[in-house]
Amino acid sequence: DSGVTQTPKHLITATGQRVTLRCSPRSGDLSVYWYQQSLDQGLQFLIQYYNGEERAKGNILERFSAQQFPDLHSELNLSSLELGDSALYFCASSVEPSMPTNEKLFFGSGTQLSVL
Amino acid sequence: AQKITQTQPGMFVQEKEAVTLDCTYDTSDPSYGLFWYKQPSSGEMIFLIYQGSYDQQNATEGRYSLNFQKARKSANLVISASQLGDSAMYFCAMREGLGDDKIIFGKGTRLHILP
Repeated sequence: DSGVTQTPKHLITATGQRVTLRCSPRSGDLSVYWYQQSLDQGLQFLIQYYNGEERAKGNILERFSAQQFPDLHSELNLSSLELGDSALYFCASSVEPSMPTNEKLFFGSGTQLSVL
Repeated sequence: AQKITQTQPGMFVQEKEAVTLDCTYDTSDPSYGLFWYKQPSSGEMIFLIYQGSYDQQNATEGRYSLNFQKARKSANLVISASQLGDSAMYFCAMREGLGDDKIIFGKGTRLHILP
């Protein structure tokens, strides 16, 4: 058990809908990362928050947004869902940003999103 | 441009043999870290090993070692004495030291260990 909690584990919804994925980082970790894993694209970095502030942004669509709350949990909001958004969404946490670079990520078990 | 390249989409290896999973990376940052993660069929991401760009020696963790060739920008994972439980997807990843600190992953190599 990595200590990172993601809910729900599975989500089935229809095109055009909006969903919210939730992540609780490990106790003491200030940084939260969101990744999307689809079959043909591997793990794509979406966005990172550190202590409530956005720190880094990857290939996150405008239809997607995220935030990190004062209690450090994070939510990823996906709206106007399309079939291609079906993927495994991972949240990961680490203690703090990289200096030095060896802070590894601890991953949650993921949320499998199926858009029908 | 792809920053992490894993050229082997899939590999089949006999149990107890050693395995090398290839990873090349691209960065102009002198300070960076390289990671390997394992993803079994259950889906979780398991950290295996880390190598820093300034580390003088290759990293080792039990049966895992990292063959770090800085000039070639290569960070291959070596698994010694493979076991059936090593069958999984393996991802190479990099974090650059300057700027933001996202970790970028390669597309992975699916390893099958044959009994």
